[in-house]
Amino acid sequence: AQRVTQPEKLLSVFKGAPVELKCNYSYSGSPELFWYVQYSRQRLQLLLRHISRESIKGFTADLNKGETSFHLKKPFAQEEDSAMYYCVPTQGGSEKLVFGKGTKLTVNP
Amino acid sequence: KAGVTQTPRYLIKTRGQQVTLSCSPISGHRSVSWYQQTPGQGLQFLFEYFSETQRNKGNFPGRFSGRQFSNSRSEMNVSTLELGDSALYLCASSYSTGASSYEQYFGPGTRLTVT
Repeated sequence: AQRVTQPEKLLSVFKGAPVELKCNYSYSGSPELFWYVQYSRQRLQLLLRHISRESIKGFTADLNKGETSFHLKKPFAQEEDSAMYYCVPTQGGSEKLVFGKGTKLTVNP
Repeated sequence: KAGVTQTPRYLIKTRGQQVTLSCSPISGHRSVSWYQQTPGQGLQFLFEYFSETQRNKGNFPGRFSGRQFSNSRSEMNVSTLELGDSALYLCASSYSTGASSYEQYFGPGTRLTVT
């Protein structure tokens, strides 16, 4: 069965501190993985995808197929990073997104 | 480019009634997906339409149905409403070809309250 686990429901860090949002998935075949983010009073939007291997807003995520993990990291958190973050795997070529429960990140000043 | 729009934004219905929600995708996007968001279950996939055909389906009862028109606009219908159907319903569109999974653009959602 397709499953994604984000173990931290809430995560609180101070500005300038490193942050890591964990994600583990259980998926058959070759999934594509995404991180979606929802800032306060904004729409859900794509943050990054593993295929592109790029850094967005200072965030990076490495796909570890051995550990089936796709953790999201940022070396220096900013207050504007406070948001709800969702790890989302999908079968390659499919538009059916399987959302994790999400992690609410709060960056304190 | 205009974003995904959903109408209505808020809706209050009574148990047993039916409801139709509408979604207009970004111009040029042929894939439209629907999601239900609740505090307890989070975001759950309902179904996806591509070129007027249902291409993917989630694990929801048959009371939940949808369709897509030739202009890619989509509607979802929920019949015989139950209290548990109270949720935020999100629509998302993408430029999908089926060869790879594309970024999905989400609408603001329709807040459905069933009393």
